Amino acid sequence: GAVVSQHPSRVICKSGTSVKIECRSLDFQATTMFWYRQFPKQSLMLMATSNEGSKATYEQGVEKDKFLINHASLTLSTLTVTSAHPEDSSFYICSARGQGRNIQYFGAGTRLSVL
Amino acid sequence: SQQGEEDPQALSIQEGENATMNCSYKTSINNLQWYRQNSGRGLVHLILIRSNEREKHSGRLRVTLDTSKKSSSLLITASRAADTASYFCATMNAGGTSYGKLTFGQGTILTVHP
Repeated sequence: GAVVSQHPSRVICKSGTSVKIECRSLDFQATTMFWYRQFPKQSLMLMATSNEGSKATYEQGVEKDKFLINHASLTLSTLTVTSAHPEDSSFYICSARGQGRNIQYFGAGTRLSVL
Repeated sequence: SQQGEEDPQALSIQEGENATMNCSYKTSINNLQWYRQNSGRGLVHLILIRSNEREKHSGRLRVTLDTSKKSSSLLITASRAADTASYFCATMNAGGTSYGKLTFGQGTILTVHP
């Protein structure tokens, strides 16, 4: 199957700092990438959808200035959590989908802890 | 909000037994997918069933879809300890601005005891 690499897997940062998470599709062109947030023992909540070369579409209630998404190439999308606060602590997961494909391939996730 | 609801929320069985998980949804769908998540990891795609299909098999997995009841079930036969994970159904809407997005259910935590 297709491989999606997500880095870092774990990050601990101080309140007020910004954190960048990378999501790469290693063996296919990801025309669309998705960013999810998951709380312990809960389901995935879609934060935003990004198409290569265009602005991301954010879900209702997700602050676009807080969670900056860039999808500059067909293999890389980044999520930057700006001025992170303890309430931003969570498990963030990216996924990628090729053109016309129905299946999403997921990264391994990033656990963010903001102190 | 998550449109999928799954039951049971947790399922504990012995190795060799079958595990059945159910998923209900609310809107018209293009397809329904099942994913597996090991603790603290990303999701792995298991199987996709299209809205015009009623049943699909893949190895020890059997998925059914009843669009009239807006429900699906995932059956894992002859379970193994390695099947221990969370299982999520996800629906892809039939069209409109939500096309291509997946809406995940709440998940079922499956524990298979050796």
